[in-house]
Amino acid sequence: DIQMTQSPPSLSASLGDKVTITCQASQNINKYIAWYQQKPGKAPRLLIRYTSTLESGTPSRFSGSGSGRDYSFSISNVESEDIASYYCLQYDNLYTFGAGTKLELK
Amino acid sequence: EVQLVESGGGLVQPGRSLKLSCAASGFTFSNYYMAWVRQAPKKGLEWVATISTSGSRTYYPDSVKGRFTISRDNAKSSLYLQMNSLKSEDTATYYCARPLNHYFDYWGQGVMVTVSS
Repeated sequence: DIQMTQSPPSLSASLGDKVTITCQASQNINKYIAWYQQKPGKAPRLLIRYTSTLESGTPSRFSGSGSGRDYSFSISNVESEDIASYYCLQYDNLYTFGAGTKLELK
Repeated sequence: EVQLVESGGGLVQPGRSLKLSCAASGFTFSNYYMAWVRQAPKKGLEWVATISTSGSRTYYPDSVKGRFTISRDNAKSSLYLQMNSLKSEDTATYYCARPLNHYFDYWGQGVMVTVSS
């Protein structure tokens, strides 16, 4: 089974900051990673697929990169609507989610 | 518009069974694999099951293998999750999700399952 190590577990940012979340897979996942945003009481929302492809409707301040085992997700110019939890998902071999990162306002 | 609507959740005693349903609309259900993903209270997401378009192939993580069964009725555009021998650690919100090229693109609103005596 593939393990996904996501960090940090929580993040405090000011409006306008740039924040970065990382996910490290236990083996090469061939760029098959997606990133989700989840707000309290809501279902996850797909933001990015295949490492860096933005879903329709995802603002351009969101971005993803990486290869092999190491991947990152960034939000530039954090806005108040970005306050949420974020999860990575590997889908190279079945599915494994990262443990999540809770983004809060400083 | 794609819609996934789960139902069938509730309070159930440990060791008992429960069956969840997911009604799909807005897309050709029979053309897509389907899946269940759960989230324990204040915890992260966990993939629970996936089923192929015809239902002939199913996939589970070890945590539910042998206890949970995913199935579908393409004529009714419906997905199911039969959960047997429930444990307290199965307490979670269960989401029906549609895999598109394997990643999940659409999710239902979720249904709560509480396993407690």
